[in-house]
Amino acid sequence: DAGITQSPRHKVTETGTPVTLRCHQTENHRYMYWYRQDPGHGLRLIHYSYGVKDTDKGEVSDGYSVSRSKTEDFLLTLESATSSQTSVYFCALRGGSKGEAFFGQGTRLTVV
Amino acid sequence: GESVGLHLPTLSVQEGDNSIINCAYSNSASDYFIWYKQESGKGPQFIIDIRSNMDKRQGQRVTVLLNKTVKHLSLQIAATQPGDSAVYFCAENLGAGNMLTFGGGTRLMVKP
Repeated sequence: DAGITQSPRHKVTETGTPVTLRCHQTENHRYMYWYRQDPGHGLRLIHYSYGVKDTDKGEVSDGYSVSRSKTEDFLLTLESATSSQTSVYFCALRGGSKGEAFFGQGTRLTVV
Repeated sequence: GESVGLHLPTLSVQEGDNSIINCAYSNSASDYFIWYKQESGKGPQFIIDIRSNMDKRQGQRVTVLLNKTVKHLSLQIAATQPGDSAVYFCAENLGAGNMLTFGGGTRLMVKP
């Protein structure tokens, strides 16, 4: 899958706990994205990165933070998980603005 | 695996017929568009793309049409097969920030 790995693949956590999802690439692509996918909403952009330490917010960024300290890793953190953040999270990467985005297999997060 | 939305518009076609999936995009400044296919339990997979300076692009059994006047994209699948059953998303690239924004998706069901 284009050298992109998400971890963990599944996680159950309690409300109020911090959670970090990891996206790792081996492609040296510049752009990386975090999306969430929920019934009735399709894929919604949370945050994205256009280089090391360069990140920006997407349409549903509240309650999430990201970090990219090196090209290959893009971390998504839920500082204090809420039940509304139960979702499937997808990481994607692109080499440029006119190229396709490659997606990871997704992480199913359940907040109880 | 990860599930896709349960309340998506659905297109049901007979095996062997042609399918047309439509998408309205939001930003007249978008300069690049992609169609993705998502099967149950998997991340979205690239089908075909088109740049804003084009009206039509053909791939193997698929054609994408772009009408910038009304901000509309369509994906045509020729001789639809059972393996084409999936959820289909269009995505638009908002040039300057390289944000890739997705539409809500359409579920394609192919009847044998």
